[in-house]
Amino acid sequence: LAKTTQPISMDSYEGQEVNITCSHNNIATNDYITWYQQFPSQGPRFIIQGYKTKVTNEVASLFIPADRKSSTLSLPRVSLSDTAVYYCLALLSGNTGKLIFGQGTTLQVKP
Amino acid sequence: GAVVSQHPSRVICKSGTSVKIECRSLDFQATTMFWYRQFPKQSLMLMATSNEGSKATYEQGVEKDKFLINHASLTLSTLTVTSAHPEDSSFYICSARDPSGTVFNYGYTFGSGTRLTVV
Repeated sequence: LAKTTQPISMDSYEGQEVNITCSHNNIATNDYITWYQQFPSQGPRFIIQGYKTKVTNEVASLFIPADRKSSTLSLPRVSLSDTAVYYCLALLSGNTGKLIFGQGTTLQVKP
Repeated sequence: GAVVSQHPSRVICKSGTSVKIECRSLDFQATTMFWYRQFPKQSLMLMATSNEGSKATYEQGVEKDKFLINHASLTLSTLTVTSAHPEDSSFYICSARDPSGTVFNYGYTFGSGTRLTVV
């Protein structure tokens, strides 16, 4: 798995758009960028996954530039309930093995 | 979607006793499950890979005799913390992969975790 680097923490206010960046300089050709969300005292939950360009679902958008050395998770109009830890992983296509989590980004949304 | 149930959600035990945590895949069969430990304000740390019908594979630094893993069926893996001590107090999370999972996320689903407190 390619090593990923994220900011340790971020603060935001309700209603704002939040962008969390992730660096993965050594990403492999067959790696997919995958983001998980973890609320306190809960297991991680899958948010979004992408390979290149832009992916959007009902929760977030994921932007991946052409060189794929970084990615940005975008959360539109955050609310207090979006306060959580967000993890970026580079998963090998067809991965069936273990997932190794980095430090993640703690997002604190304030009223 | 695939659901992983973890039980109990919270447990308090006395130092020196053993505690068993169960992880069940509810609507799929999982030949492999994963156990993680998470200390406050830290990331998930993989402890071991549980393989149905065979011995678990432990990560470096994890004591296999202290953290006993049994994966006797395709839907159940158990983690037993033996002779627990206060330093074993942590949040334990299991994960399983649904082989029929979609391309996205590759089918990984996590349990809701078990908060273990050893007093």
